[in-house]
Amino acid sequence: NAGVTQTPKFQVLKTGQSMTLQCAQDMNHNSMYWYRQDPGMGLRLIYYSASEGTTDKGEVPNGYNVSRLNKREFSLRLESAAPSQTSVYFCASSEALGQGAWGEQFFGPGTRLTVL
Amino acid sequence: RKEVEQDPGPFNVPEGATVAFNCTYSNSASQSFFWYRQDCRKEPKLLMSVYSSGNEDGRFTAQLNRASQYISLLIRDSKLSDSATYLCVVNSRSSGSARQLTFGSGTQLTVLP
Repeated sequence: NAGVTQTPKFQVLKTGQSMTLQCAQDMNHNSMYWYRQDPGMGLRLIYYSASEGTTDKGEVPNGYNVSRLNKREFSLRLESAAPSQTSVYFCASSEALGQGAWGEQFFGPGTRLTVL
Repeated sequence: RKEVEQDPGPFNVPEGATVAFNCTYSNSASQSFFWYRQDCRKEPKLLMSVYSSGNEDGRFTAQLNRASQYISLLIRDSKLSDSATYLCVVNSRSSGSARQLTFGSGTQLTVLP
């Protein structure tokens, strides 16, 4: 099992360009997440998808859109990149354990994005 | 006030030392607590969950104090391979159905030979 995979690993964009970050998981998890990590800020949730067909905003959704393409894939799109979106982006997935409890979140290796 | 706060460190300790990290959280309704480990330029990985009664996994011990709203991580007999950033993680239920996790900014540990 590959776990959670992300593409690309690195990307440099110019201000105003668009791009889509891809994420896929092979653990049959229902929930998937997109985070960004900035120095001194910890990981912050951008969007999440509790199950196939649903998406919800997290803490920092502005400037991003997501698509839950199917149970395996969850993509993050930057429509018009800005320097403030320079960050490391992590995708994660997890599963419900029942009774309101959730299992471990498994993370992909990350995408390092620089917006000039 | 941040929802989850950690001392950023860095903690520099010699091999074999015992080191402890604390983390405070602001949401008294939080239900689940975790410590994640993140190596330099890598993704976070679960180190251990934190249970109300406290729990131990080899050299690692986690404690939860709900009254004071803090969790701790104790590492005994530190190894060079323990060098990493340790993330305190607390659940925060939102209006959505999926549990959201709130991550602390991490405590950096370097174990010195």
